[in-house]
Amino acid sequence: EIVLTQSPATLSLSPGERATLSCRASQSVSTYLAWYQQIPGQAPRLLIYDASNRITGIPARFSGSGSGTDFTLTISSLEPEDFAVYYCQQRSDWPPYTFGQGTKLEIK
Amino acid sequence: EVQLVESGGGLVKPGGSLRLSCAASGFTFSNVWMNWVRQAPGKGLEWVGRIKTKHAGGTTDYAAPVKGRFTISRDDSKNTVYLQMNSLKSEDTAVYYCTTDFREAYFGSWGQGALVTVSS
Repeated sequence: EIVLTQSPATLSLSPGERATLSCRASQSVSTYLAWYQQIPGQAPRLLIYDASNRITGIPARFSGSGSGTDFTLTISSLEPEDFAVYYCQQRSDWPPYTFGQGTKLEIK
Repeated sequence: EVQLVESGGGLVKPGGSLRLSCAASGFTFSNVWMNWVRQAPGKGLEWVGRIKTKHAGGTTDYAAPVKGRFTISRDDSKNTVYLQMNSLKSEDTAVYYCTTDFREAYFGSWGQGALVTVSS
């Protein structure tokens, strides 16, 4: 089973700042990685798939990069609605599909 | 607009059973693989299982912690996917989300979730 490790666990930033979230896989997942956003009390939402492809309707300030074992989700300029928990998920080696433990992005 | 509405959650004793339903609308249900993903209170996301379309064989896959206890089925005439949960344990306590499949293994659209609490 592929283990995904996200860092940092919590990221404290201010609106307008740039956020960089990391996801590291225990073995290569090629580019078969997605990112989700979960606002408290809501269901998760798919943002990015195959490492760098934005879902239709997701703002351009969200971007994903990486391949193999190291991946990054970047939010170029934080908006108030971006403060949430972010999860990465791999589809390279399944079942099971696995998620990272999440990064909480909080307002500083 | 895609809508997924889960129902059937509640409180159940350890060893008991429960069936969740997920009613889908806004897309051609019979053409879409469906998943269940759960989230224990205050914890992260865990994939539970998936059912393919009948065209793809209608087969199911499950995560190891639920294999042999949980069963996913679908009724395309009712646009509904089900999660039958047997021999429930306290560690099955979670919000259960049904999701559409996206590109054969991401989770595209999500329901609002159904809370299952396993406690005596």
